[in-house]
Amino acid sequence: DTAVSQTPKYLVTQMGNDKSIKCEQNLGHDTMYWYKQDSKKFLKIMFSYNNKELIINETVPNRFSPKSPDKAHLNLHINSLELGDSAVYFCASSQVHRDFYNEQFFGPGTRLTVL
Amino acid sequence: SQQGEEDPQALSIQEGENATMNCSYKTSINNLQWYRQNSGRGLVHLILIRSNEREKHSGRLRVTLDTSKKSSSLLITASRAADTASYFCATDLSGGGADGLTFGKGTHLIIQP
Repeated sequence: DTAVSQTPKYLVTQMGNDKSIKCEQNLGHDTMYWYKQDSKKFLKIMFSYNNKELIINETVPNRFSPKSPDKAHLNLHINSLELGDSAVYFCASSQVHRDFYNEQFFGPGTRLTVL
Repeated sequence: SQQGEEDPQALSIQEGENATMNCSYKTSINNLQWYRQNSGRGLVHLILIRSNEREKHSGRLRVTLDTSKKSSSLLITASRAADTASYFCATDLSGGGADGLTFGKGTHLIIQP
């Protein structure tokens, strides 16, 4: 069974549109993340979220917003898409313990192309 | 700002040889992790080393950490064609990963058969 899944795998859309990417994890983890990987393969954290706290990377435009209907899902909404938003977006999850050090499990990615 | 810098950016070796990748970072860390990304796929966790550890092994992987130099290295021994991928180091600043990981630019490793 897929541990972290994302839909869609590919998303092609026009500038100015609003779109969403869905993420689900079946690992029972309490924390989920969104990362953006640009054309040079540089990965950057966008959001870290658990049921208590949302941590936002200050460089992320407020056109991006995470929405979590429950612990197993963290969707990414993007408003007024711009050309520079074209990238691969990865969802990830982990179980966070302050006394432990845990790996993150990544989804397969969603390749977003804004035309 | 970017935390990790991998070196080299690209590495091509013959199958069976050892591959060494280095990572440098800027701030104090809680732990450092290495991930592999095959082309067009998500990232897969390889190994995690805590800030109070100096070396760790997992199968054909050996990771070292030098906190005084703020650097880490990943050694893959007896490389195989299937090891062809991009390798990223990632630092966890907060402990437990609650703030997410900060990734380097990655090393693209090509294993030639």
